[in-house]
Amino acid sequence: DADVTQTPRNRITKTGKRIMLECSQTKGHDRMYWYRQDPGLGLRLIYYSFDVKDINKGEISDGYSVSRQAQAKFSLSLESAIPNQTALYFCATSDGQLTEAFFGQGTRLTVV
Amino acid sequence: GQNIDQPTEMTATEGAIVQINCTYQTSGFNGLFWYQQHAGEAPTFLSYNVLDGLEEKGRFSSFLSRSKGYSYLLLKELQMKDSASYLCAVPTGGGNKLTFGTGTQLKVEL
Repeated sequence: DADVTQTPRNRITKTGKRIMLECSQTKGHDRMYWYRQDPGLGLRLIYYSFDVKDINKGEISDGYSVSRQAQAKFSLSLESAIPNQTALYFCATSDGQLTEAFFGQGTRLTVV
Repeated sequence: GQNIDQPTEMTATEGAIVQINCTYQTSGFNGLFWYQQHAGEAPTFLSYNVLDGLEEKGRFSSFLSRSKGYSYLLLKELQMKDSASYLCAVPTGGGNKLTFGTGTQLKVEL
């Protein structure tokens, strides 16, 4: 089983719908991150969390929210999906500052 | 702020050597990471350099020059499976998050 698991792997949703992407990890890491990846733009940070009580905005947090339900779970929500949120979304974890990040397999989201 | 530049695409021949460059500008340097990402898959860690010089790991090596704001990833004895995107990333926000370059798409040909 993967150490960082994202569900769903693929999702098509309609404009205006609320959608939640889920991430769970078995690595025991405190730090968790949500990125989106678009062609030509690379990976961009949406939100990150260092523990259950800690939530921080990344560079592109508008239109998104997150919930850190437990050390192992970090969910990303799109309150009202729009087509330009169509992207590949990655969850990642790390053990601490300046350590490698471990990525989930990604969620391909299409908003029509 | 931070700025990371990498070439968008490179093509190389199987068995050859290729060097992928990355230049960066960042306020407060905390090292530099390289990741590999095959199409549609998760990025995977390759290397982390915090001191100047070359670090070798099998067929892959990574070099850092802090004074020049420059790093490169050197891939030797290229194989078809090395066709992937190579992402350069620097820690920002006091080292608490990663900022990625846009990646270099490497195509290995016969």
